[in-house]
Amino acid sequence: AQSVTQLDSHVSVSEGTPVLLRCNYSSSYSPSLFWYVQHPNKGLQLLLKYTSAATLVKGINGFEAEFKKSETSFHLTKPSAHMSDAAEYFCVVGTNYGQNFVFGPGTRLSVLP
Amino acid sequence: EAGVAQSPRYKIIEKRQSVAFWCNPISGHATLYWYQQILGQGPKLLIQFQNNGVVDDSQLPKDRFSAERLKGVDSTLKIQPAKLEDSAVYLCASSLGRGAGNTIYFGEGSWLTVV
Repeated sequence: AQSVTQLDSHVSVSEGTPVLLRCNYSSSYSPSLFWYVQHPNKGLQLLLKYTSAATLVKGINGFEAEFKKSETSFHLTKPSAHMSDAAEYFCVVGTNYGQNFVFGPGTRLSVLP
Repeated sequence: EAGVAQSPRYKIIEKRQSVAFWCNPISGHATLYWYQQILGQGPKLLIQFQNNGVVDDSQLPKDRFSAERLKGVDSTLKIQPAKLEDSAVYLCASSLGRGAGNTIYFGEGSWLTVV
């Protein structure tokens, strides 16, 4: 069975400072991992995905995430936060065998001016 | 490329009434998903179709929810009768195939309020 833990329900940063959103996963199989972003009243947009290629994955809008198998983590980072980054972020785990994608509970990112 | 289309965007109904949501996936996408997102939570899969067949409906409350995907393209999700706890955003999504390496593309959602 798969599961996802997002360690922080809310993260607040100042504009221009680094962002770190934490995600830990559990999967019986080799996982695929995704980060999605959801702006208010909008659908979910894919930021990046890991599917057993390079462990450091670069996504859109300057975000990147590193897959660490030993730590079962897939933390999302960005060097410098922008006001437009304020949104809800979801870590998602899937398997290469199964088709069910399990979402974490989400982390709300606030960016202060 | 057109994205996943959903309608209606917003719906308010009284409990015990019925409601239907429609979804048109991205052209060529064989896999279609319906997710339920309750406020403050992550999306939860309700049902997954591969073409017009059901792959996974284990979390669909079948006593009140039903879904179909005729002809393997558009899909409809119905709730009858609705309960207060059905208030949520219903997200339709699609992907080219079933493997977890496939990217899932989401629509903007249908917001349901049951009063």
